[in-house]
Amino acid sequence: EPEVTQTPSHQVTQMGQEVILRCVPISNHLYFYWYRQILGQKVEFLVSFYNNEISEKSEIFDDQFSVERPDGSNFTLKIRSTKLEDSAMYFCASSEMANYGYTFGSGTRLTVV
Amino acid sequence: AQSVTQLGSHVSVSEGALVLLRCNYSSSVPPYLFWYVQYPNQGLQLLLKYTTGATLVKGINGFEAEFKKSETSFHLTKPSAHMSDAAEYFCAVSGTGANNLFFGTGTRLTVIP
Repeated sequence: EPEVTQTPSHQVTQMGQEVILRCVPISNHLYFYWYRQILGQKVEFLVSFYNNEISEKSEIFDDQFSVERPDGSNFTLKIRSTKLEDSAMYFCASSEMANYGYTFGSGTRLTVV
Repeated sequence: AQSVTQLGSHVSVSEGALVLLRCNYSSSVPPYLFWYVQYPNQGLQLLLKYTTGATLVKGINGFEAEFKKSETSFHLTKPSAHMSDAAEYFCAVSGTGANNLFFGTGTRLTVIP
């Protein structure tokens, strides 16, 4: 069964450093998403991406964050100047159509120290 | 705006007993409703979804959920729990035409042998 692949599974970074989280969505999917889950809290929407541009973003997704689809297969989330409160599990997801039901990746656990 | 409330952060059932996980939603537009399951160290897997049509929705692994508009509920049930059902379950809602999901805080299901 097709899956969404995320790398790395764990990342530890120092506060103030930049990190790039990588995702390979399912190949025929057109919509891409990033969500995050701070330990013990809800899964929260960050951003959706369609047709090579951001279609929606939450208030969490400020100037510190950016997304990119640098080639036909990867979808990345960049966090500039990480803060302690950015520590969370970050999930990538993709879907064939909007509201069709996403396929999520296994997540990247980001720890900012 | 959309939101989801999951009653009970932890639910324990005996193997073979009925599973009932509760979800109530709030939505200013006709909702799309989803249940996801998360096994340890894995991503979010779609169990089932309601968009339009039949209000009783059947999903994978013997789970089903019923959309009740009058009660703004979308409770998840399974007639007979199996040890392999132990996981975290998330209810989520999006609005028609919306591109992102709002998740509940999750319910951890424990199955007692």
